[in-house]
Amino acid sequence: QVQLQESGPGLVKPSETLSLTCTVSGYSINSGYYWGWIRQPPGKGLEWVGSIYHSGSTFYNPSLKGRVTISADTSKNQFSLKVNSVTAADTAVYYCVRGTVATNPSSYDSWGQGALVTVSS
Amino acid sequence: QSVLTQPPSVSGAPGQRVIISCTGSSSNIGAGYDVHWYRQLPGTAPKPLIYGNTNRPSGVPDRFSGSKSGTSASLAITGLQAEDEADYYCQSYDSSLTTVAFGGGTKLTVL
Repeated sequence: QVQLQESGPGLVKPSETLSLTCTVSGYSINSGYYWGWIRQPPGKGLEWVGSIYHSGSTFYNPSLKGRVTISADTSKNQFSLKVNSVTAADTAVYYCVRGTVATNPSSYDSWGQGALVTVSS
Repeated sequence: QSVLTQPPSVSGAPGQRVIISCTGSSSNIGAGYDVHWYRQLPGTAPKPLIYGNTNRPSGVPDRFSGSKSGTSASLAITGLQAEDEADYYCQSYDSSLTTVAFGGGTKLTVL
């Protein structure tokens, strides 16, 4: 049973960089699937942030205007998210997810519990 | 404003059937992209409910079913139960925006 767990600072100052890490257990991220991030502002709906394929290819939401980087550390079975130049609009619960390859687009069959990141001075 | 439109809310009495619609366009659902559905209970992470338009993950009861036609998809819930009260989201891909897209979500209230 795959499990995902987000970790990182819960408070980030405006204009700085948001950094989160997702630790995966029960499955090697090297073995397949997409690994990604979905966020949810308080009281609002879900927004796809981006994902990384097990081969290393990355895909990002164009609306985030190049502020996002997703990378993987296979030795630690982790993948990470960085969002730079954050504003209050980036305040959200960030979920790390596993995306399947059998459908187009991926469906997200495993989710972390979520990490609330607040952007405030 | 999402490219996938869901009703903000639906409601039904216990035992009844409700349908949640997800309306898209020719650049997403109508282009043949798969539709997936998730259920989010208050304060928890979303969980998959339907994948690939009509398929249920292991453990999801057959009270939940998905369908897709043209530029729309639907989630049907039969035998409504109190624990079905949650937010429901559809998901697909939009080729014009080149992004994974979620519907705005539908809050289901069990009367």
